[in-house]
Amino acid sequence: AAGVIQSPRHLIKEKRETATLKCYPIPRHDTVYWYQQGPGQDPQFLISFYEKMQSDKGSIPDRFSAQQFSDYHSELNMSSLELGDSALYFCASSTYPEEQYFGPGTRLTVT
Amino acid sequence: DAKTTQPPSMDCAEGRAANLPCNHSTISGNEYVYWYRQIHSQGPQYIIHGLKNNETNEMASLIITEDRKSSTLILPHATLRDTAVYYCIVRAYAGNMLTFGGGTRLMVKP
Repeated sequence: AAGVIQSPRHLIKEKRETATLKCYPIPRHDTVYWYQQGPGQDPQFLISFYEKMQSDKGSIPDRFSAQQFSDYHSELNMSSLELGDSALYFCASSTYPEEQYFGPGTRLTVT
Repeated sequence: DAKTTQPPSMDCAEGRAANLPCNHSTISGNEYVYWYRQIHSQGPQYIIHGLKNNETNEMASLIITEDRKSSTLILPHATLRDTAVYYCIVRAYAGNMLTFGGGTRLMVKP
């Protein structure tokens, strides 16, 4: 069965640089969620989109923005990167309001 | 969403049933109990969810007490690949985000 695809899987950036993470949901899923998981921490919800509209917002820094495109893929844009942004970033998708299926994550390292 | 309490860690012998408890004493009538697990640094994996009736699927069984204040996830025949952090999450059906907190680190031992 098709799963959530995230790219890139690994990303290394320097402080103050910009990063873009991409998420391709499971076909026919209309909702995308983004989570951040710092080292040794639990996943934390960042933001979600339903039918290309932002549906909920969590503890997402103002330096981060995201959108869902007409083909339902989503991008998380992070600017002015800080060392503390180093984390695993997971995307999940669902057919709202059903259970969420997670991708393999993108490991972002900020040096 | 209601808060959940889980033991931080548990051990289980391979081939035996793993019973993971969760307390959610402040759960409200429209909130479901969801279980996810995360195998080291992989994306969380959906296991099962329920409202008030017991549920079973190919992965696990979910037993919810009659007063809905607690539940137990049962992995009937644990394998080494079931070693993971198991999260019990209470969420309204039409809710959006999942709130991960603590979880139980299950170690399946040979």
